[in-house]
Amino acid sequence: DQQVKQNSPSLSVQEGRISILNCDYTNSMFDYFLWYKKYPAEGPTFLISISSIKDKNEDGRFTVFLNKSAKHLSLHIVPSQPGDSAVYFCAFGTDNYGQNFVFGPGTRLSVLP
Amino acid sequence: DSGVTQTPKHLITATGQRVTLRCSPRSGDLSVYWYQQSLDQGLQFLIQYYNGEERAKGNILERFSAQQFPDLHSELNLSSLELGDSALYFCASSVEAWTGNAYEQYFGPGTRLTVT
Repeated sequence: DQQVKQNSPSLSVQEGRISILNCDYTNSMFDYFLWYKKYPAEGPTFLISISSIKDKNEDGRFTVFLNKSAKHLSLHIVPSQPGDSAVYFCAFGTDNYGQNFVFGPGTRLSVLP
Repeated sequence: DSGVTQTPKHLITATGQRVTLRCSPRSGDLSVYWYQQSLDQGLQFLIQYYNGEERAKGNILERFSAQQFPDLHSELNLSSLELGDSALYFCASSVEAWTGNAYEQYFGPGTRLTVT
């Protein structure tokens, strides 16, 4: 039962342009929505998050958008830089006593100089 | 450097064997999480401990078990290993069981397990 889908396994973008990464989910019980990025041979690194009461959260070049009715989460990176080349995972959590996280399969972003 | 350490970095063992993976969380973090990442797969949440107690369980097999010790380090025990258990195993930690606005977890570099 796939609760989370990242339909683009890979994405290539020119340096300076916008990168848009997308996630679709099915579980309406998710309360928290996060993005992590992962470089090779390293663990994932937290990037940005948004709670279910918001539809947008911005942190520098990174903006996360949440459309709860469509069960859609996206990450915009503007402007994209070569150092942004990594695998990006969306992650979802519920506001329960125990945190049971679900991660998407990941999208490999390549930012071309 | 996230502050989370995992040992060993690499582990090669045979089917049927048992291994123990170790994780030391960031200083002050009470929660430890274990994840499995198989080839070309996303991260699968296995289990969470908070201050020594099991807090949440994900897709963890019965052959796998974990514990968190009084000094807050955690161990993941994998037994009766099968070829399909070959994967990257990540440990993550966070300050509390839940932080309200964001569940920011800090990940270790992972242990690569190869079962032959």
